[in-house]
Amino acid sequence: DAGITQSPRHKVTETGTPVTLRCHQTENHRYMYWYRQDPGHGLRLIHYSYGVKDTDKGEVSDGYSVSRSKTEDFLLTLESATSSQTSVYFCAIRKAGGDTDTQYFGPGTRLTVL
Amino acid sequence: KQEVTQIPAALSVPEGENLVLNCSFTDSAIYNLQWFRQDPGKGLTSLLLIQSSQREQTSGRLNASLDKSSGRSTLYIAASQPGDSATYLCAVRSTPGNTGKLIFGQGTTLQVKP
Repeated sequence: DAGITQSPRHKVTETGTPVTLRCHQTENHRYMYWYRQDPGHGLRLIHYSYGVKDTDKGEVSDGYSVSRSKTEDFLLTLESATSSQTSVYFCAIRKAGGDTDTQYFGPGTRLTVL
Repeated sequence: KQEVTQIPAALSVPEGENLVLNCSFTDSAIYNLQWFRQDPGKGLTSLLLIQSSQREQTSGRLNASLDKSSGRSTLYIAASQPGDSATYLCAVRSTPGNTGKLIFGQGTTLQVKP
């Protein structure tokens, strides 16, 4: 499982409140990603990081911000949660070397915005 | 813009049957393609990775093929078992750059009945 944990695993919040999701890895991989998964859409990339303090936007970044102050932690923040951000959020790390270059995923965080 | 499509969205087969899952992509200029498995309430697990220069990859009862020119990949599962029941997602990496970003299909949910 590449030592990836996500917290919290479940969260219910109200519209307009800020929410921060945490992804923690134990193997010091450079690349980390945040995805959201919704029915009919598969996984869509929100933001990604290629190093400490180095981040960039994915295809669905509006309404989200990220921070990476340490290699092992990648935080996703919803500044003012909306019902459209109800989703399952997955964090992933990238392992590359030799013949392989793949992503390993955390267990996910189920977020409900009422 | 690269788009990845998986049809059907759901599939139910009796145990022991051989089956094929389909994945299509709109831009043939891909770097690699991966197949993932997702169990209910869990994260994704990488099954097979096919580089753009390869035609197929095999792992146990799984065989994935890639035809870049037609924009298609298939995942063949031999002698299906109830434990194969899960959602299968394909993902395309379109650029050879170092971002490693993946574009996912919507997934096919497979049920193998005993």
